[in-house]
Amino acid sequence: QKEVEQNSGPLSVPEGAIASLNCTYSDRGSQSFFWYRQYSGKSPELIMSIYSNGDKEDGRFTAQLNKASQYVSLLIRDSQPSDSATYLCAVIGSGYSTLTFGKGTMLLVSP
Amino acid sequence: DTAVSQTPKYLVTQMGNDKSIKCEQNLGHDTMYWYKQDSKKFLKIMFSYNNKELIINETVPNRFSPKSPDKAHLNLHINSLELGDSAVYFCASGVSNQPQHFGDGTRLSIL
Repeated sequence: QKEVEQNSGPLSVPEGAIASLNCTYSDRGSQSFFWYRQYSGKSPELIMSIYSNGDKEDGRFTAQLNKASQYVSLLIRDSQPSDSATYLCAVIGSGYSTLTFGKGTMLLVSP
Repeated sequence: DTAVSQTPKYLVTQMGNDKSIKCEQNLGHDTMYWYKQDSKKFLKIMFSYNNKELIINETVPNRFSPKSPDKAHLNLHINSLELGDSAVYFCASGVSNQPQHFGDGTRLSIL
C-alpha cells in the first residue's frame, strides 16, 4: 500500500512569515512529486512539481525533495492571508501513473 | 477556455436513484481519472483510463461504472445511490508522470 503522510494541521502563521509544510511517502521508487493547493469548495490546483533531489524555487514557493529520507517539503515565504488553504502533497509511485495524495495540511495565515 | 470540465456541478438526489457525471478534457491528454473526496477531504483515486482503456480500478463498489467513449471523455455512472456516496467527485487528466489537471468537481448529495 503506497502511502503519503502529512500533518493535518491547522498550521497557523502570521502574515509575512515562512510557512513550512512537510510530507513523507512510503514508496522508495517514487519519481514525481507535486504540491497542490485547494481552497475550500474548489478543486486542487497545482503549485509545484519536483522530480530530483534538492530545492526548486518558483516565486514565493520552494519545494524540497530528499529521496533518501523519502521526504518532500514546501516552503512559502512572505505568507499572505490569500495563502490560507489546504495543501496536498501528491506522489506518483513506481510503475504507476496515478497520484497518491496525502490528507492535506490546512494552512491559516493571519493578518 | 476550460481545460477539464465536469457536469453537473451539483447533484442532489434520493437514495436508490441512478445518476451520471460527465467529464471532458481539451488538453489532448491520454489519461483521465476519477477521484472521490469525502467529508474529511481525503482525495482518493477511483478509476483511470488511458486511451479509452481501463488501467486502474481501485476498490470501488461495482455500482460505479466508468465509460470512456473517446480519450477526451470519461463519464461516471452510479447505480442505486447510497448515503455513503455523498462526496465531491473530481475528474482529472494527465500524461505519464506529469501533474494532473482537475475539473471543478461534482458535489453529490444523497437525501
